[in-house]
Amino acid sequence: AQSVTQLGSHVSVSEGALVLLRCNYSSSVPPYLFWYVQYPNQGLQLLLKYTSAATLVKGINGFEAEFKKSETSFHLTKPSAHMSDAAEYFCAVRNTGFQKLVFGTGTRLLVSP
Amino acid sequence: DTGVSQNPRHKITKRGQNVTFRCDPISEHNRLYWYRQTLGQGPEFLTYFQNEAQLEKSRLLSDRFSAERPKGSFSTLEIQRTEQGDSAMYLCASSFGTSASTYNEQFFGPGTRLTVL
Repeated sequence: AQSVTQLGSHVSVSEGALVLLRCNYSSSVPPYLFWYVQYPNQGLQLLLKYTSAATLVKGINGFEAEFKKSETSFHLTKPSAHMSDAAEYFCAVRNTGFQKLVFGTGTRLLVSP
Repeated sequence: DTGVSQNPRHKITKRGQNVTFRCDPISEHNRLYWYRQTLGQGPEFLTYFQNEAQLEKSRLLSDRFSAERPKGSFSTLEIQRTEQGDSAMYLCASSFGTSASTYNEQFFGPGTRLTVL
């Protein structure tokens, strides 16, 4: 079964600093990969998705992620953190032929002024 | 508001009681999903409907759990004889799709937070 691993349950950055959230996947075939954001007491919002097209994927709010097959990674980055980016971020994979999403354990991003 | 809605948003119950949650998907969406999220974890898939047919069920969905989508619109998730381990956020999502091989974005509702005392 396909899965994702998120390294680091918490990441702290200063406002204006680079954001890097790590996600590695396990899959024998090219997967569909996603990053979601969750604000407190809210549902999940899709940031971006990889669906076997361009390996560099741009999403909302200035986030982007690069699919690297050789490293089985799909890390999320943002050049300059904003206070409003503080939230929980989840990487997810969708198995081909199935509809369910398999999520990682999440990374909480803390942004300090 | 045309997003996914869930009711109630919060539910506190005593162990052994039955609870039922409702999810109203985006109106034109034919697929509906239930996930469970416990504290500090990512959402875990429970079940999935296409129209009124329940097509996938997780092993997490024990015999105390039952989900329905009788008319292919809203869905209900019932938990019988609740246990403290059932305390979690229950998330609903919906999407539109006709082919299993194509990607269809899932839109999530705000969730129902269940606390079992």
